[in-house]
Amino acid sequence: EAQVTQNPRYLITVTGKKLTVTCSQNMNHEYMSWYRQDPGLGLRQIYYSMNVEVTDKGDVPEGYKVSRKEKRNFPLILESPSPNQTSLYFCASSGQGEAFFGQGTRLTVV
Amino acid sequence: QKEVEQDPGPLSVPEGAIVSLNCTYSNSAFQYFMWYRQYSRKGPELLMYTYSSGNKEDGRFTAQVDKSSKYISLFIRDSQPSDSATYLCASDNYGQNFVFGPGTRLSVLP
Repeated sequence: EAQVTQNPRYLITVTGKKLTVTCSQNMNHEYMSWYRQDPGLGLRQIYYSMNVEVTDKGDVPEGYKVSRKEKRNFPLILESPSPNQTSLYFCASSGQGEAFFGQGTRLTVV
Repeated sequence: QKEVEQDPGPLSVPEGAIVSLNCTYSNSAFQYFMWYRQYSRKGPELLMYTYSSGNKEDGRFTAQVDKSSKYISLFIRDSQPSDSATYLCASDNYGQNFVFGPGTRLSVLP
């Protein structure tokens, strides 16, 4: 079964405390991406990766980092989270004209 | 101008109605078109995708793409309360880095 797995599903943290959201896919897709979803703004792409060791900025990359050391994993890193990064985050994996999403990570930064 | 535009709604219809959801896009190079359904607090799930122009039918759902007018449509026949969700359209030219519309929130009333 095609699957994109994100962890954690829910996270409350304090300003400035580094955190990592993990993402893993089992479809052998080369392309993976991270989005944040905010009310009224829809899905906005943070970063994407076209293959291992190849990453690039999306529309809203400020305050985020990513890495792609293995094909199946694409973690999202917030080095110093701030309250404006409170959002719902989705990882996606795509190929052959289809994109699959994880279940989301609801992050609250206080 | 956003690359993919979509009326955010909300759209309320009675059970059994035919629902028409629409998007427009600006990039004439887009070849892949997708519709996603997103329930509250869940990740988007792929409903249908089409390549280039034409129609595609799957049960009660029909997707249409008119590349001449850059118009994407999703029709839902015999709508059910379980169809109540946010529907997102997405487009891309290579089938990997999709651009999403903001989503239309649909409520089907029993």
